[in-house]
Amino acid sequence: QVQLQESGPGLVKPSETLSLTCTVSGGSISSYYWSWIRQSPGRGLEWIGYIYYSGTTNYSPSLESRLTISVDTSKNQFSLRLSSVTAADTAIYYCASHYINTGGDAFDIWGQGRMVTVSS
Amino acid sequence: QSVLTQPPSVSGAPGQRVTISCTGSSSNIGADYDVHWYQQLPGTAPKLLIYGNTNRPSGVPDRFSGSKSDTSASLAITGLQTEDEADYYCQSYDSSLSGWVFGGGTKLTVL
Repeated sequence: QVQLQESGPGLVKPSETLSLTCTVSGGSISSYYWSWIRQSPGRGLEWIGYIYYSGTTNYSPSLESRLTISVDTSKNQFSLRLSSVTAADTAIYYCASHYINTGGDAFDIWGQGRMVTVSS
Repeated sequence: QSVLTQPPSVSGAPGQRVTISCTGSSSNIGADYDVHWYQQLPGTAPKLLIYGNTNRPSGVPDRFSGSKSDTSASLAITGLQTEDEADYYCQSYDSSLSGWVFGGGTKLTVL
């Protein structure tokens, strides 16, 4: 049974870079597409971007200019970097795996989430 | 404002049936992209409840069912139980936004 676990700082200063890592256990990262999704009271659930084990990425257009998602297959991990953060980036950040579906993917396995607050 | 529109709240008594609607547009549900549903219990991550409009992952009771028509979809819950009290979200893909989108969520209260 694949499990996901987010890790990283819970507090980031405005204008700095938010960095999180998702560790995949119980399975290989080379088997799925992997996304980052965030949730905040003001913005609800928001898809951020995904990465395939080969390194192929797809980012939300609204975040693309500040976003980098990378993968380390040797560690079974993938990571998120979001630069120039503001208070609007305060949210719970989830990593999730894609359930590949012909009519559009669902997200079938989620990490427990990492609360990140942007504040000085 | 979320791309997919859901009622903020619904309620029902134990044993009753409730439905939650999810309204989209021609660039998502109306473009024939599938709708998926998630259940989020307090303090936990969303859990996939329905995928591909009507399918239940293993372990999800058949009290939960989904449907889709034109630019909208619905989640039905029959035989309401107190443990069904949670937030429910719909999700699809949007071709105009080039990404996956969610509804704003519906809080289910079991009276």
